[in-house]
Amino acid sequence: EDQVTQSPEALRLQEGESSSLNCSYTVSGLRGLFWYRQDPGKGPEFLFTLYSAGEEKEKERLKATLTKKESFLHITAPKPEDSATYLCAVQARGSSNTGKLIFGQGTTLQVKP
Amino acid sequence: GAGVSQSPSNKVTEKGKDVELRCDPISGHTALYWYRQSLGQGLEFLIYFQGNSAPDKSGLPSDRFSAERTGGSVSTLTIQRTQQEDSAVYLCASSLVGQGGGQPQHFGDGTRLSIL
Repeated sequence: EDQVTQSPEALRLQEGESSSLNCSYTVSGLRGLFWYRQDPGKGPEFLFTLYSAGEEKEKERLKATLTKKESFLHITAPKPEDSATYLCAVQARGSSNTGKLIFGQGTTLQVKP
Repeated sequence: GAGVSQSPSNKVTEKGKDVELRCDPISGHTALYWYRQSLGQGLEFLIYFQGNSAPDKSGLPSDRFSAERTGGSVSTLTIQRTQQEDSAVYLCASSLVGQGGGQPQHFGDGTRLSIL
């Protein structure tokens, strides 16, 4: 069964304190791994897509990496405005998989000034 | 440009009533998805539309749930005889369809449904 597990569930950081969020996945064949940011009362906002092991993507203070079993979202010198819930999702290959995303439970990040 | 638009943003209704939720996808996106986000459950897939192909309804939790997409654009999710466990945020997403898939899905802000 395709599955995504994110850790930790919650993370509190001081402004400027770098850290990483983990996304472990089990999928029959990976078509893509996606990172989203979700603010309270809003829909998920797309951040990155990773397609194959070894791939990395960067955007401002965020960097996403991918291995065959997990992905990391590294946050460098975070600011209070980075506070949000970060969601990881996978899309599986196969004729029975129509592109639906399988989501993890998310990591809620709080950055204190 | 315009993103995915959902209406209403909030809906409160009594148990047993029917509700309709609307999604207007990004122009040019041929794939459309509905997801449900419940407290403690995360986002779960409900239904997928792609062009003129038969929709993938494998995520619909019961036969009280149905959806349609008219003219390849706007979609409506209908829940009949609502139950309290239907209370959740219903999210719509749309995407392009590329060879081999893997296109990012872009989400609306959802409809928060509360069943009294």
